[in-house]
Amino acid sequence: DAGVTQSPTHLIKTRGQQVTLRCSPKSGHDTVSWYQQALGQGPQFIFQYYEEEERQRGNFPDRFSGHQFPNYSSELNVNALLLGDSALYLCASSLMMEMNTEAFFGQGTRLTVV
Amino acid sequence: GENVEQHPSTLSVQEGDSAVIKCTYSDSASNYFPWYKQELGKGPQLIIDIRSNVGEKKDQRIAVTLNKTAKHFSLHITETQPEDSAVYFCAASRQGNNRLAFGKGNQVVVIP
Repeated sequence: DAGVTQSPTHLIKTRGQQVTLRCSPKSGHDTVSWYQQALGQGPQFIFQYYEEEERQRGNFPDRFSGHQFPNYSSELNVNALLLGDSALYLCASSLMMEMNTEAFFGQGTRLTVV
Repeated sequence: GENVEQHPSTLSVQEGDSAVIKCTYSDSASNYFPWYKQELGKGPQLIIDIRSNVGEKKDQRIAVTLNKTAKHFSLHITETQPEDSAVYFCAASRQGNNRLAFGKGNQVVVIP
């Protein structure tokens, strides 16, 4: 089991550009959540996808959007990048069952906006 | 929304001693409390979790306690080893929600 995999591991973008990050969940998991982790802070919830729909959303602007594919993998898109978007972006996968809420994280994508 | 706070921010312990990290939460509907360990350049790794119907859970050198009345939970690491040095995050969520609210993290340094 490869666990949660994210790509790319590092990325440098220019302010105003757009970026797409990718995530493959742990085998058997059907739910993908995205988090933003600024340096020295805890992860902040961006949104969650289940059955190819956005189910929950945190306090992030519409510049942040996502998608989930039939194979449960997911993408995070950020438009009109700002310097403040520089962070580690984490993907977590879990199983959408009432009693099973363990979430497993990938290694993250380090995004630097210059 | 849920607000999770962690104390202390940095903790230094001698190898072999115990380390305790405490977290408080604000949402009385939260009923799932995981702990994550994050090493430099890596994603958070789930090390132990506890649900609100349990007061204590132990896994080898790691244990977690939960006080629902006071809305706080703690991570206990016994017989610390250098490889325990990392940032530890507590989190909370509602059952079936899978949306985690994290604390700011604790840097644990184990001194050989």
